[in-house]
Amino acid sequence: AQRVTQPEKLLSVFKGAPVELKCNYSYSGSPELFWYVQYSRQRLQLLLRHISRESIKGFTADLNKGETSFHLKKPFAQEEDSAMYYCARGGQGNLIFGKGTKLSVKP
Amino acid sequence: GAGVSQSPSNKVTEKGKDVELRCDPISGHTALYWYRQSLGQGLEFLIYFQGNSAPDKSGLPSDRFSAERTGGSVSTLTIQRTQQEDSAVYLCASSSDSGGPPYYEQYFGPGTRLTVT
Repeated sequence: AQRVTQPEKLLSVFKGAPVELKCNYSYSGSPELFWYVQYSRQRLQLLLRHISRESIKGFTADLNKGETSFHLKKPFAQEEDSAMYYCARGGQGNLIFGKGTKLSVKP
Repeated sequence: GAGVSQSPSNKVTEKGKDVELRCDPISGHTALYWYRQSLGQGLEFLIYFQGNSAPDKSGLPSDRFSAERTGGSVSTLTIQRTQQEDSAVYLCASSSDSGGPPYYEQYFGPGTRLTVT
């Protein structure tokens, strides 16, 4: 079965510190990978996708096929980054989500 | 334009009752998804509709759960004989199938918080 693993339920960092949210996926061909974010009292929304190789709000994520990872990184965390982050991979028409990591950025 | 809408926003029901949750996708989006979000379990895929194809029901946890999509637009998720473990936030999402696989970007609704007492 296709799986997405986010090993950390909660990640707490201080403002200005680097942050890395881990995501590993079960190997299956060429996966489509995404990061979704849910800020407090807001809807779940797409943050970035690996095929675009883009940087959104200072976040980047590199697909590492050897390690089957797609970790989300930001060099300097901001308080407004505090949110729930979900890693997801494309399934057979749907998305398979990890259990999420709650990021807390302290002042 | 209008995003995905869901109703009701909150639903409290007694164990054993049936509930219906509604989702209005973005106009023109051919794909519609239902997920369940619960504490500690993340986002659990339930069911997926794509155009006129038969829905992918592989994520439905039991035969008490069913969903319909009428006219390729509005969808209703029905839970029969609700149990306390059904308490969760039910999220609906839609996506367009233009430009690539439909799951490239899903637009989520605000969710329906279901509480079974």
